Amino acid sequence: DTAVSQTPKYLVTQMGNDKSIKCEQNLGHDTMYWYKQDSKKFLKIMFSYNNKELIINETVPNRFSPKSPDKAHLNLHINSLELGDSAVYFCASSQAVVVGYTFGSGTRLTVV
Amino acid sequence: AQSVTQPDIHITVSEGASLELRCNYSYGATPYLFWYVQSPGQGLQLLLKYFSGDTLVQGIKGFEAEFKRSQSSFNLRKPSVHWSDAAEYFCAVVRGNTPLVFGKGTRLSVIA
Repeated sequence: DTAVSQTPKYLVTQMGNDKSIKCEQNLGHDTMYWYKQDSKKFLKIMFSYNNKELIINETVPNRFSPKSPDKAHLNLHINSLELGDSAVYFCASSQAVVVGYTFGSGTRLTVV
Repeated sequence: AQSVTQPDIHITVSEGASLELRCNYSYGATPYLFWYVQSPGQGLQLLLKYFSGDTLVQGIKGFEAEFKRSQSSFNLRKPSVHWSDAAEYFCAVVRGNTPLVFGKGTRLSVIA
C-alpha cells in the first residue's frame, strides 16, 4: 500500500488552464504539506495543513489554492497556469516532527 | 533566518570509495536534522534523522551521519559507495512548528 499517493504523476497543460493535483495519505497523519521542486532541484514549502486547517501559506500566488476535505487528503488547485509553474510538486505528511515526513512520488507539471 | 547549506552541488566518487556529503545549518539552537535521498524520477526517501543523544546516527542503505554542535554540521557518510547510490541528497532541518527546510541538494555520481 502506498503511504502517500499523488495523482497524476505527469501533467502537461497549456498556459491559462486550470488544473488540480490530488494527494492522499493512509498513514493516519494529522499534518500534510505541499512542496515545490524547481528545475534546480530546490524544494520549497508551499502549504501546510493540520487536521484540515491551513497553518502555513508561504507567499504562494493566490492562483494556488489548497483544499483539504479531510485529514487524509490535501489537493492542490492551480488557476491560470503560467510557464513558471512548471515544476515537480510533492505532497508529504507527518504525525510528529520526530518521525519525519513521508513524501509522495511527486507530480511533474509542465506548462506549455 | 534559519538556513541549511550544502556546499557541494555535485560530487563524483568511484564505486567502492568512501563518501562524505556536507551539511551545515544556522539556527539559534539545535534543530531536528534529516537526510533524504531522491533517486531520478522518484520521491524523497528518509535516510536518517537526529534529534538528541548519540551524535552518530545510523540510517538505511549503510549510511550514517554525525552531528557536530561546535561546527553546526550534520555530514552524511558511507564507507563504500555502490553504483545504486547515485542520486540527489538533501539535508533538511525543522525547528519548533516550522516546516521542513531543505538544503539545495548534492548530486552524487558514481563511476566504475
